[in-house]
Amino acid sequence: AQKVTQAQTEISVVEKEDVTLDCVYETRDTTYYLFWYKQPPSGELVFLIRRNSFDEQNEISGRYSWNFQKSTSSFNFTITASQVVDSAVYFCALSEAASGTYKYIFGTGTRLKVLA
Amino acid sequence: GAGVSQSPSNKVTEKGKDVELRCDPISGHTALYWYRQSLGQGLEFLIYFQGNSAPDKSGLPSDRFSAERTGGSVSTLTIQRTQQEDSAVYLCASSFQAGSGANVLTFGAGSRLTVL
Repeated sequence: AQKVTQAQTEISVVEKEDVTLDCVYETRDTTYYLFWYKQPPSGELVFLIRRNSFDEQNEISGRYSWNFQKSTSSFNFTITASQVVDSAVYFCALSEAASGTYKYIFGTGTRLKVLA
Repeated sequence: GAGVSQSPSNKVTEKGKDVELRCDPISGHTALYWYRQSLGQGLEFLIYFQGNSAPDKSGLPSDRFSAERTGGSVSTLTIQRTQQEDSAVYLCASSFQAGSGANVLTFGAGSRLTVL
């Protein structure tokens, strides 16, 4: 069965610190997709990144980077030199290509507070 | 429209009343999803539409919940005889097409339901 675990409920850091948000997933499929979304205080989830199960290359986008490791079923998200505007709830999500259910399973989210 | 539009943004109702929540997806998006976000919880899948049909209703919590989609566009989530445990933010998302699990979901800002 699909499952996404974000063990960190809340993280507080001081501005300019680096922070890593953990995501561990469970799936029986060999083809699947992983996502990260950001939910700022305004409430609307914003897409950050999508990864398919065949692409384990790490990705960097500005201050954001993602580490995908199939061996540990993890898809962690690192923010370098955090800023106050990064304060939000971050969700990791999983979808399976072959399941036919078309569900996107979300973790419980990690609330990040960046203090000035 | 330019984004996913949900209405009302806030709804306060008395226990036992019926409520309707509306979602207007991005034009051309054939897939539409409803999720529920309770305080401190992740996103709970409710139902998914492909066009006007709902292949997966497995997430609807009880028979008090129903949803429909007309014209392959607007969707309405109806909760009958509301209970206090129905209080949550109801999120709608849409995407171009379902079928592979690769599609990026675009979310609306949500409808916050409070049942007194």
